[in-house]
Amino acid sequence: AQKVTQAQTEISVVEKEDVTLDCVYETRDTTYYLFWYKQPPSGELVFLIRRNSFDEQNEISGRYSWNFQKSTSSFNFTITASQVVDSAVYFCALSPHNYGQNFVFGPGTRLSVLP
Amino acid sequence: EADIYQTPRYLVIGTGKKITLECSQTMGHDKMYWYQQDPGMELHLIHYSYGVNSTEKGDLSSESTVSRIRTEHFPLTLESARPSHTSQYLCASILTNTGELFFGEGSRLTVL
Repeated sequence: AQKVTQAQTEISVVEKEDVTLDCVYETRDTTYYLFWYKQPPSGELVFLIRRNSFDEQNEISGRYSWNFQKSTSSFNFTITASQVVDSAVYFCALSPHNYGQNFVFGPGTRLSVLP
Repeated sequence: EADIYQTPRYLVIGTGKKITLECSQTMGHDKMYWYQQDPGMELHLIHYSYGVNSTEKGDLSSESTVSRIRTEHFPLTLESARPSHTSQYLCASILTNTGELFFGEGSRLTVL
């Protein structure tokens, strides 16, 4: 069975602080994809990143960075120097390489960045 | 930018009414999905389709039905709406070669 856990339900930080959102996953597939999506108050889901299971290289995109560790089944997301516009619910997700119905989302972490 | 559209964005209706939530994508994606989500909460897969004339129920039991007569169109219908159907419905399609699941802006349904 596949499962994605985001243990942090809500996080509040003050602007300019760094914040890390945790994601732990379970899968029996040997190849899979991991994703992060952002859902601002307006409700749409915005794609942030896809990571292939055989690529453990960390990635940085501006203030965002992702740390993928297969050994601990984790795919954590860090926002550096957070801004008020980062306030949103963030979802981690997992899918097998053939996608299908098994696109599994975590329960989400609500991030509030206070001015 | 994703080309996936949902209408209506917001809908308030009375109990017992029949409604159809429209979803269209112009990207030629074969796989499409409907998720139900209370605001900021977990996403629950209620229907998916692998292509024309293919529809399957998802993990969450739903009284809605879907159809896929054309690749670009994946409407969701509730024959008799109830207050328990009040939620946000998100349509998505997938670009297989990048694995990105594109989402529409969602349809927020309120049943009185």
